[in-house]
Amino acid sequence: EADIYQTPRYLVIGTGKKITLECSQTMGHDKMYWYQQDPGMELHLIHYSYGVNSTEKGDLSSESTVSRIRTEHFPLTLESARPSHTSQYLCASSELRAGSGELFFGEGSRLTVL
Amino acid sequence: QQQVKQSPQSLIVQKGGISIINCAYENTAFDYFPWYQQFPGKGPALLIAIRPDVSEKKEGRFTISFNKSAKQFSLHIMDSQPGDSATYFCAARPDSNYQLIWGAGTKLIIKP
Repeated sequence: EADIYQTPRYLVIGTGKKITLECSQTMGHDKMYWYQQDPGMELHLIHYSYGVNSTEKGDLSSESTVSRIRTEHFPLTLESARPSHTSQYLCASSELRAGSGELFFGEGSRLTVL
Repeated sequence: QQQVKQSPQSLIVQKGGISIINCAYENTAFDYFPWYQQFPGKGPALLIAIRPDVSEKKEGRFTISFNKSAKQFSLHIMDSQPGDSATYFCAARPDSNYQLIWGAGTKLIIKP
């Protein structure tokens, strides 16, 4: 069973608020990812990291930012939330070594911006 | 542009039937083809994966068929059960240094 945790699971917040979605994994994985997904719909990669102090933007442009100060922690921040940010945000991790491709996902953080 | 095209978008199958979901890709450099299963309110989880040096991989009731020349791969669920009702995503990866390219997903409903 995957050991990757996301908090909060659900968040309803007003426009203009700053929010941070937390993601932690205990598997020692170097690679971590943030995906945006409307319920049951396509997965869009918005950020990823190869390790500490490494962050890259994904395929989908996002106003969010991420940081990777510790291997196990990969938080996502929205400085000023807008209704267009309403979505589910999924965090994932994987091993860095070649040949291993499995992504382990958290259960997601469902964000609603009013 | 690298793409993975998945079909159908939704699928209804009777209990005990065979569910088939198809994916097609364009980039011949893809070296890894996983299928993920996602239940409502959960994150996706790896179901089964295949590499292009084999044409078929079977794990229990789940089978991936891979056609390298046609650049297609499919997921077959035998003896489909209501518990298989979920959204299924295919994906492909150019190599281990690159990110997965995802299909759009198939919502599968198994009718009892």
